Amino acid sequence: NAGVTQTPKFQVLKTGQSMTLQCAQDMNHNSMYWYRQDPGMGLRLIYYSASEGTTDKGEVPNGYNVSRLNKREFSLRLESAAPSQTSVYFCASSENQGATGYGYTFGSGTRLTVV
Amino acid sequence: KNQVEQSPQSLIILEGKNCTLQCNYTVSPFSNLRWYKQDTGRGPVSLTIMTFSENTKSNGRYTATLDADTKQSSLHITASQLSDSASYICVVRASNDYKLSFGAGTTVTVRA
Repeated sequence: NAGVTQTPKFQVLKTGQSMTLQCAQDMNHNSMYWYRQDPGMGLRLIYYSASEGTTDKGEVPNGYNVSRLNKREFSLRLESAAPSQTSVYFCASSENQGATGYGYTFGSGTRLTVV
Repeated sequence: KNQVEQSPQSLIILEGKNCTLQCNYTVSPFSNLRWYKQDTGRGPVSLTIMTFSENTKSNGRYTATLDADTKQSSLHITASQLSDSASYICVVRASNDYKLSFGAGTTVTVRA
């Protein structure tokens, strides 16, 4: 099925461990995004990639790094996980970021717990 | 700072009944407003999108309204079904910024 695929779906890390969340889209979208969702809060943008080869910080980038490996794939890395990074992470993609009507397609999320 | 506030935080309704969710925003200048449905354990899925000139948009039993003057939107669910149980998120985009502002969502529980 066409869409955004995230792996893994669940992960438990110990404080200080590192891991990479993977995201791939097969819709030929130019822009990709990483969000985190915490209880009682709206989704917050961590990093985004407007197009292949570019990445920029979003609202809450501290503690994260990203790589736009190619047009399809956008990974999120936690170098030294902290309990404050316990959250549900969503990857999304859109055709572009300039048009007023563009839509976002979201993956199904990665539930990360840092103990 | 652009903000999106949703109310109520949660609600419970009986199957077959109607309900209305509210969204107030301070995003300016306004470009468009979307309502997303997020099922438990899934990513958000777009229900409707409205631009400045539109004040009503329907998608099946979902009807969204927009008052750009008062910066308010509502999502009306008609004849609710058990499958409507989900979180409904209001998302607003400013015309001078591609980034989206997300509300915290309203959790709707439909009971038989």
